[in-house]
Amino acid sequence: QKEVEQDPGPLSVPEGAIVSLNCTYSNSAFQYFMWYRQYSRKGPELLMYTYSSGNKEDGRFTAQVDKSSKYISLFIRDSQPSDSATYLCAMTGTASKLTFGTGTRLQVTL
Amino acid sequence: DADVTQTPRNRITKTGKRIMLECSQTKGHDRMYWYRQDPGLGLQLIYYSFDVKDINKGEISDGYSVSRQAQAKFSLSLESAIPNQTALYFCATSDSSRETNEQFFGPGTRLTVL
Repeated sequence: QKEVEQDPGPLSVPEGAIVSLNCTYSNSAFQYFMWYRQYSRKGPELLMYTYSSGNKEDGRFTAQVDKSSKYISLFIRDSQPSDSATYLCAMTGTASKLTFGTGTRLQVTL
Repeated sequence: DADVTQTPRNRITKTGKRIMLECSQTKGHDRMYWYRQDPGLGLQLIYYSFDVKDINKGEISDGYSVSRQAQAKFSLSLESAIPNQTALYFCATSDSSRETNEQFFGPGTRLTVL
C-alpha cells in the first residue's frame, strides 16, 4: 500500500463548479501538507501548504487537513478552464523529504 | 526572477549512451533534488543533496548518478541509458531554514531512450 493515495481521475466539471480534490495517507508522522498544480508539459507549481489540522484559504482555493482521519482536501470555488491541470498532494514529517500522491487530472469545461 | 532551470528540455538518445541532465537555480536554496515522473506513478525521488558535500540516494537510484558541482548546480547522469528510463525528469530545490520543506520545481526534461 502506498503511503499517499490519490484518485487519478480524470475529473471533469463545468465552469463555475466547486471542485473537491482529496488524498489519504497512512503515515502519522506527516505534519506539513501541500498542494501542487501541474500543467501539461510543465513542472509542478506550489499552490498552498498547511501545517497540521485545519483550513487555509487563498483566493478561490481552500486546503483542509483532517489528521484524525488522515485525509486532506483541496477545494476550488468558481472553477475556471484555466484550472484544468493535474493536482498533486505532497506531505512531509521530519525527514525533510516530500511524499507525493500520483496526482488527479482535472478538466474544467466551458 | 529567481528560478530553477533545466537543460536540455528535450533529449532523444539511444540505448547504452551516457547522458547528463543539468539543473541550475538562482533561489539561493541549499537543498536540491532529482525526480522522475511516469504516467500513473507520480514523482519518484532519484537522488537528493542537502548541501554540496551531502548526497543521498532516493527511492530509485539504480542506473543513475549525480554531481553537486556548486550550491546552485546539480547534475543527473545516466551512465548507460536504457528504454525504461524514458520519462519526464524534474529538478527541485528547497530551503533548509523552512520547516515545511516546500520544493520548487524546474520545467522538466523529457528524455526518450530508443
